[in-house]
Amino acid sequence: AQSVTQLDSHVSVSEGTPVLLRCNYSSSYSPSLFWYVQHPNKGLQLLLKYTSAATLVKGINGFEAEFKKSETSFHLTKPSAHMSDAAEYFCVVSDRNQGGKLIFGQGTELSVKP
Amino acid sequence: DTAVSQTPKYLVTQMGNDKSIKCEQNLGHDTMYWYKQDSKKFLKIMFSYNNKELIINETVPNRFSPKSPDKAHLNLHINSLELGDSAVYFCASSQDRGAAQGAYAEAFFGQGTRLTVV
Repeated sequence: AQSVTQLDSHVSVSEGTPVLLRCNYSSSYSPSLFWYVQHPNKGLQLLLKYTSAATLVKGINGFEAEFKKSETSFHLTKPSAHMSDAAEYFCVVSDRNQGGKLIFGQGTELSVKP
Repeated sequence: DTAVSQTPKYLVTQMGNDKSIKCEQNLGHDTMYWYKQDSKKFLKIMFSYNNKELIINETVPNRFSPKSPDKAHLNLHINSLELGDSAVYFCASSQDRGAAQGAYAEAFFGQGTRLTVV
């Protein structure tokens, strides 16, 4: 069965410092992995996706993630946090054997201090 | 020009009532979904339709009944609402690209419907 585990429920950084949100996955085949962001009282927006092409994936707003098969990880990073990055972040795996349903991690709340 | 739109955005209702949430996508996708987000922000799939055919039903009480009149619409009807049904419900759509291209592409989500049962 496919699953994802987000290792931190809450991360707090100062504005201008790097962001690291950690995600490990479990999959019996080559996975499709995504990071989504949810701002307060908003819907979910796709940040980036990995679908077996380049292992370093660049997304919107300066975010990127690296797929590491040996570590079964897909951590999300950003070199310099901005106040507007404060939100809930979800690491997600798609189960192509079950109609493409998305399996969500528990979420990581990112706080950015001035 | 919203890609996935759902209505209403907020819904407050009494226990025992019946309510519906509507969803429409203009992306031309063939697969649509309903997800539920609980008070701890955990998201879980409820249903999935592909070209109007139900393909996923994740142990959801039969008080919840999805209906897909065409592949651009997926509505959710809930009978006999209970306090525990209070949550945010998200509609989403994606395109099945087949196994050669990594199967399903990313899903696009609506803005959510916050259902409060009192």
